[in-house]
Amino acid sequence: DQQVKQNSPSLSVQEGRISILNCDYTNSMFDYFLWYKKYPAEGPTFLISISSIKDKNEDGRFTVFLNKSAKHLSLHIVPSQPGDSAVYFCAASPNDNYGQNFVFGPGTRLSVLP
Amino acid sequence: DGGITQSPKYLFRKEGQNVTLSCEQNLNHDAMYWYRQDPGQGLRLIYYSQIVNDFQKGDIAEGYSVSREKKESFPLTVTSAQKNPTAFYLCASNRGDETQYFGPGTRLLVL
Repeated sequence: DQQVKQNSPSLSVQEGRISILNCDYTNSMFDYFLWYKKYPAEGPTFLISISSIKDKNEDGRFTVFLNKSAKHLSLHIVPSQPGDSAVYFCAASPNDNYGQNFVFGPGTRLSVLP
Repeated sequence: DGGITQSPKYLFRKEGQNVTLSCEQNLNHDAMYWYRQDPGQGLRLIYYSQIVNDFQKGDIAEGYSVSREKKESFPLTVTSAQKNPTAFYLCASNRGDETQYFGPGTRLLVL
């Protein structure tokens, strides 16, 4: 049973428009969430994080929204650029888990079309 | 430059052979992790180590072994007991501030 779900395996967006990537989780103990971006044959790179004390965190073109009651988070990329084309992973962890592992979703492949 | 290195980038394994994947970090991180990625699946944890000379099994440890003799190094051995080793392997580390930093990965292929 997947604790972290990304129900859209792929998403295509026109350059300059908004990309919205969604993530749902089932474990109510999760308190800290991250988004990673992964290019082919490379390791994931950290993008942005959010903890449950916030409902929004912004970093440049990237904004993550958290809705704890719905157990849902989303990553918004505005404006989308061709270089954003990659696989995006959502990951979750209980906040008090020192050095512990995260649970990752299966990823969403974003294609930004010029 | 601080970071995590993994070698080799590609590794070929023959039937019945053990192979070792290298992971080194100079970030002074206490915790290190090994993940496996298969097509269409999220990253699955193989082993992790929170401190030197200590490590724990993750979700899919069978057929794998690790050691943590130095803080900087966390090699992963894929043994002959691992029947389906073809995958992309990722090493990560962190300092307990939750964010993990990943290496570039090793792709393992079976001949």
